Amino acid sequence: GAVVSQHPSWVICKSGTSVKIECRSLDFQATTMFWYRQFPKQSLMLMATSNEGSKATYEQGVEKDKFLINHASLTLSTLTVTSAHPEDSSFYICSAAGLGNSPLHFGNGTRLTVT
Amino acid sequence: GENVEQHPSTLSVQEGDSAVIKCTYSDSASNYFPWYKQELGKGPQLIIDIRSNVGEKKDQRIAVTLNKTAKHFSLHITETQPEDSAVYFCAATREASYDKVIFGPGTSLSVIP
Repeated sequence: GAVVSQHPSWVICKSGTSVKIECRSLDFQATTMFWYRQFPKQSLMLMATSNEGSKATYEQGVEKDKFLINHASLTLSTLTVTSAHPEDSSFYICSAAGLGNSPLHFGNGTRLTVT
Repeated sequence: GENVEQHPSTLSVQEGDSAVIKCTYSDSASNYFPWYKQELGKGPQLIIDIRSNVGEKKDQRIAVTLNKTAKHFSLHITETQPEDSAVYFCAATREASYDKVIFGPGTSLSVIP
């Protein structure tokens, strides 16, 4: 079945530094990937849609300069949290779907802790 | 826009019993309804999905029913096992419009051995 790999699974960084999270589709090509943020005991909130070869589309209220998204190939999207602050600490999850009406599959998430 | 409600928020069942989670949606144009299981510290895993052209779909111990008229869909887990304990999310969208997927708030299922 379709597999989406996310790396790292957890990361701790100091306030003011930047962190990059990778999302890869392992056995299918994904022209579009999605990035979500999830707070404890809450549902997933879509942050942005990552489009291969073009700029990401951000949801209302998400700072595009803080959450940089790059979709360099059909199998890789990256999310960079720039100048991270403690309030950016959260669980970040990516997802991807193949062509047509393929189901949406999720990565295993990245737990970011900013100290 | 679409709004998805999900009940109950928490559910405890004895091992071997059935569990039912119900969702409602608001956008009559939604035609794809996936269900995800999320274990602690992991990403959501697709467990079953249903499209609007069918009313029921079953995969071993898991089944989903859809009532388009009432805009209801439900997840049924039979013969529950401790490993079924997780948070379950329903979702609704127009097929292939995954930027418009709306997730329910989730149901925390505990299966008591």
